[in-house]
Amino acid sequence: SQTIHQWPATLVQPVGSPLSLECTVEGTSNPNLYWYRQAAGRGLQLLFYSVGIGQISSEVPQNLSASRPQDRQFILSSKKLLLSDSGFYLCALRTRKANYGYTFGSGTRLTVV
Amino acid sequence: GNSVTQMEGPVTLSEEAFLTINCTYTATGYPSLFWYVQYPGEGLQLLLKATKADDKGSNKGFEATYRKETTSFHLEKGSVQVSDSAVYFCALSPYGGATNKLIFGTGTLLAVQP
Repeated sequence: SQTIHQWPATLVQPVGSPLSLECTVEGTSNPNLYWYRQAAGRGLQLLFYSVGIGQISSEVPQNLSASRPQDRQFILSSKKLLLSDSGFYLCALRTRKANYGYTFGSGTRLTVV
Repeated sequence: GNSVTQMEGPVTLSEEAFLTINCTYTATGYPSLFWYVQYPGEGLQLLLKATKADDKGSNKGFEATYRKETTSFHLEKGSVQVSDSAVYFCALSPYGGATNKLIFGTGTLLAVQP
C-alpha cells in the first residue's frame, strides 16, 4: 500500500534561517504531490503541487519554494524564514487508486522564533 | 467555481450523543465527495467518500450521503465517543481527473465530553 513519510516531526528555527522539509512516497509511482500549511486555526492552505519530476505549481506568493528532484520526493524550502511561516506543514499524495482522494503524511510542526 | 462550506464549530457533545456536521458544496458536473478526520497533532486521514449521487459512504460508525439535489454531504454518527474528538474536513474532487486538486472546507472541531 502507498505510504508517505515526512520529517522532521517538529522543528524550531530562528527568523532568517533556511528551511528544508522533505516528503517521500512509497508504494506508488508518478503520484501527484501537494504541500499544505495549516496555520493557527484549522484551515488548509495549498502551497504547491506537482504532477511530475521538476513540475511545480505555486498556489500563493510567498518566500517558500518547492522542488521535486525525484518521482517520489517532494521538498519544501525557504532561504530565510519569517515568523509568519510558523505552522503545521502537510504533504499529500494522490493517485488513481485512491479514487482521486489524498493520502496525507503525519506533518511537520514548524515554529519560527 | 468549486467550493465547500461546512459548519464553523466547535461542536461540543456529550458521549453517546447524535452528531451531525453539515457540509454543502458548489461544483460543476459530478464531483466526488470526502470526509477527512484530523486527530490532535496528526495528519489527515480519509474517513469516508462517495463518488456519485445517492451514494452513502460509511466508516467507523460515521455516515454521509451524497445529495445532489441539495448539494450536501452531511456527516452523521448515532453515538459519539470521546475518541471521536478531532477536526473534521469535508472535501470535493472536481469532476475530470486525478490531476485536479481537492477542495477542502475550513474544518469543524468536534469535542466529545465524557
